[in-house]
Amino acid sequence: GAVVSQHPSWVICKSGTSVKIECRSLDFQATTMFWYRQFPKQSLMLMATSNEGSKATYEQGVEKDKFLINHASLTLSTLTVTSAHPEDSSFYICSARDSRDRGYNEQFFGPGTRLTVL
Amino acid sequence: EDQVTQSPEALRLQEGESSSLNCSYTVSGLRGLFWYRQDPGKGPEFLFTLYSAGEEKEKERLKATLTKKESFLHITAPKPEDSATYLCAVKRGSTLGRLYFGRGTQLTVWP
Repeated sequence: GAVVSQHPSWVICKSGTSVKIECRSLDFQATTMFWYRQFPKQSLMLMATSNEGSKATYEQGVEKDKFLINHASLTLSTLTVTSAHPEDSSFYICSARDSRDRGYNEQFFGPGTRLTVL
Repeated sequence: EDQVTQSPEALRLQEGESSSLNCSYTVSGLRGLFWYRQDPGKGPEFLFTLYSAGEEKEKERLKATLTKKESFLHITAPKPEDSATYLCAVKRGSTLGRLYFGRGTQLTVWP
């Protein structure tokens, strides 16, 4: 149980295009999902907290107009990188918290999406 | 400022050579310390959650302990398949689940 999937697992795009990454909780409902970015040999940096049915909360320094987050259902959140540039190339990872977890404890992580912008 | 520091950055062990990884933290209102394992190109895999000083948890060759200032991940008689990056993260009570991650310890176990 508690499986989180991401699609695609990797994507290569041209500079200036937009890329959408999906994060799905497969066997549980997730009111809250988190989006992280990880550069090589660096730790996970939280970009935003995605809440079902409401606007995402972005961390300081993260451009909300560039990284569009939509959490339209209890099992799906999407991250769209708009007008991508080479510096956006990174490993994007989502995590989800089971809605039944009132203690806000465990987060289940997806396998990540490798984005390369040429 | 909240901070999570892991040491060493990298650790190379011979198979069977036990050692410990360290995670020190300065967080107000700690509500949980988490250990994850991350393989290259993959998302973190949950290992342990510790909530209070003195708590210990074990899983196969791994044992995690927690004090008021740091946590240790002890690896007993490691095997090559234990090679991975081990991440430590903490959660504060006021942040609805937000995790603060350390930079990780890259463990390599040689046969």
